[in-house]
Amino acid sequence: GNSVTQMEGPVTLSEEAFLTINCTYTATGYPSLFWYVQYPGEGLQLLLKATKADDKGSNKGFEATYRKETTSFHLEKGSVQVSDSAVYFCAPLGEDKIIFGKGTRLHILP
Amino acid sequence: EAGVVQSPRYKIIEKKQPVAFWCNPISGHNTLYWYLQNLGQGPELLIRYENEEAVDDSQLPKDRFSAERLKGVDSTLKIQPAELGDSAVYLCASSLYGGRNTGELFFGEGSRLTVL
Repeated sequence: GNSVTQMEGPVTLSEEAFLTINCTYTATGYPSLFWYVQYPGEGLQLLLKATKADDKGSNKGFEATYRKETTSFHLEKGSVQVSDSAVYFCAPLGEDKIIFGKGTRLHILP
Repeated sequence: EAGVVQSPRYKIIEKKQPVAFWCNPISGHNTLYWYLQNLGQGPELLIRYENEEAVDDSQLPKDRFSAERLKGVDSTLKIQPAELGDSAVYLCASSLYGGRNTGELFFGEGSRLTVL
């Protein structure tokens, strides 16, 4: 079946640091890939997506590239801000069902 | 435009008691989902509706959990009787589906259940 593995948290960085949150998946075929984010006290919301190999999803300064050869969809941001503190979920869509990773909690220190 | 609305936000009950959660999806969204989120875990699908029809309830523990979406809009998730292990956050989400799951879900803030 489909599955997803993402970097365990918490991840703590200083403001303006470079961020990478790793995500790998197993799925039949080529699923669409998503990152969702959950800010404190809020519901999950879609951050970015990529629907085919080599696509790059981007939003709010975050990027992730669909790597078919490594079945990965790592989330990156060049300069994080305190407001990026949240829990991030990698989520492949396979067999008509979206599967969420366990989430990576990110703390950004001012 | 209003987002997905859930109530109650918090609920504390004793084991063996019943509990119900309500969800109002975004207007026009045909697909409605109920997810379970345990502490430190990602959401896990309990049931998915297309309009009034439950098209995927394979992960719903049917001995104690039930759900309904009678008019294809609001939905209710019920647990009876609740057990200690049911303590979690229950998330509702909706999406424009139209026959193909795009993966773009809109979530409510969740209902946090504590069973004592």
